[in-house]
Amino acid sequence: EIVLTQSPATLSLSPGERATLSCRASQSVSSYLAWYQQKPGQAPRLLIYHASNRATGIPARFSGSGSGTDFTLTISSLEPEDFAVYYCQQCNNWPPVTFGGGTKVEIK
Amino acid sequence: QVQLVESGGGVVQPGRSLRLSCAASGFTFNNYGMHWVRQAPGKGLEWVAVISYDGTNKYYADSMKGRFTISRDNSKNTLYLQMNSLRAEDTAVYYCAKDDTYTAILNYWGQGTLVTVSS
Repeated sequence: EIVLTQSPATLSLSPGERATLSCRASQSVSSYLAWYQQKPGQAPRLLIYHASNRATGIPARFSGSGSGTDFTLTISSLEPEDFAVYYCQQCNNWPPVTFGGGTKVEIK
Repeated sequence: QVQLVESGGGVVQPGRSLRLSCAASGFTFNNYGMHWVRQAPGKGLEWVAVISYDGTNKYYADSMKGRFTISRDNSKNTLYLQMNSLRAEDTAVYYCAKDDTYTAILNYWGQGTLVTVSS
């Protein structure tokens, strides 16, 4: 089973700042990594797939990069609605499908 | 537009069973794999199971193998999760999610249904 480790666990930033979230895989997942956003009381929403492709309707301020074992989700300038929990997920070697533990982006 | 609506959650005693349903609309249901993902209170996401578009292939997380059964009725555009021998640690919100095709990219999610296992 591929283990995904996200860091930091919590990121405290102000609106307008740049957010950089990390996801590290225990073995290579090539570019088969997705990112999801989850707001309190809501279901997760797909943001990024195949490491760098934005899902339908996702604003350009969200970008993903990386391959192999190290991946990054960047939010170029935080909007108030971006404060949420973000999960990475590998879709290279499944089942099982595995998720990282999440990074909470909170308002500083 | 794609809609996934879960139902069937509730409070159940340890050792009992429960069946969750997920009604799908807005897409050709029988063309896509479908997943169940759960989230314990205050915790992260945990994948539960997947079923292929035609129901022939099914896979489960190890901790649920033998207790949970995923199935689908393509004539009713509905996904199911039969949960037996429930334990307190199965308490979670259960989400159904649509696969992009059969790639484990979960491009649409339902709103979830809460299952509470408690005596």
